[in-house]
Amino acid sequence: DIQMTQSPASLSASLGETVSIECLASEDISNYLVWYQQKPGKSPQLLIYAANRLQDGVPSRFSGSGSGTQYSLKISGMQPEDEGDYFCLQGSKFPYTFGAGTTLELK
Amino acid sequence: QVQLQQSGVELAKPGSSVKISCKASGYTFTRFAIHWIKQTTGQALEWTGYIAPGNGGTKYNEKFKGKATLTVDKSSSTAYMQLSSLTPVDTAVYYCARGGNLDYWGQGVMVTVSS
Repeated sequence: DIQMTQSPASLSASLGETVSIECLASEDISNYLVWYQQKPGKSPQLLIYAANRLQDGVPSRFSGSGSGTQYSLKISGMQPEDEGDYFCLQGSKFPYTFGAGTTLELK
Repeated sequence: QVQLQQSGVELAKPGSSVKISCKASGYTFTRFAIHWIKQTTGQALEWTGYIAPGNGGTKYNEKFKGKATLTVDKSSSTAYMQLSSLTPVDTAVYYCARGGNLDYWGQGVMVTVSS
């Protein structure tokens, strides 16, 4: 199975700060990388697909980048509503696998 | 709008089975796969498998073979996941999600296995 190593496990950011979350795949996943945000008690919401494509309706402060085995999610200007958990998912090979998640809090 | 409406909370005894549902609306059901994902306390997400509603084809995570069985009813645009031989380890929230990017998710079903 492809292992997805996500970092950091948690971070705290000030209003307006730019934050980055990383996912490292154990092998090349050819940009089959999706990012989700999850709020407490809610289901995950798709932010970015194909590593860098913004899902319709997602604020433009969210962006994705990367290739091969290394991928990142950037939030350019932290907002209060961005608090939550963030996960990456690789859809390159079965079984699909998720990163362990990052908890983002407003400082 | 696309919606995946899942069935309600399940409380089950060890050794029993549960069958949870995921009713799709707002799109052509047979055009997109339905994936199932397990989320345990502490956030960890595991992909269980998927089913292609058009032809009933399935792909399972080896870890869940023998545990999960995926089916669909095209007439009602509903996907099902049956979990068998339940143990406390199966206690989790189970989500259904649509398509290759898992772009829309159901609200989740809390399955609790306890004697």
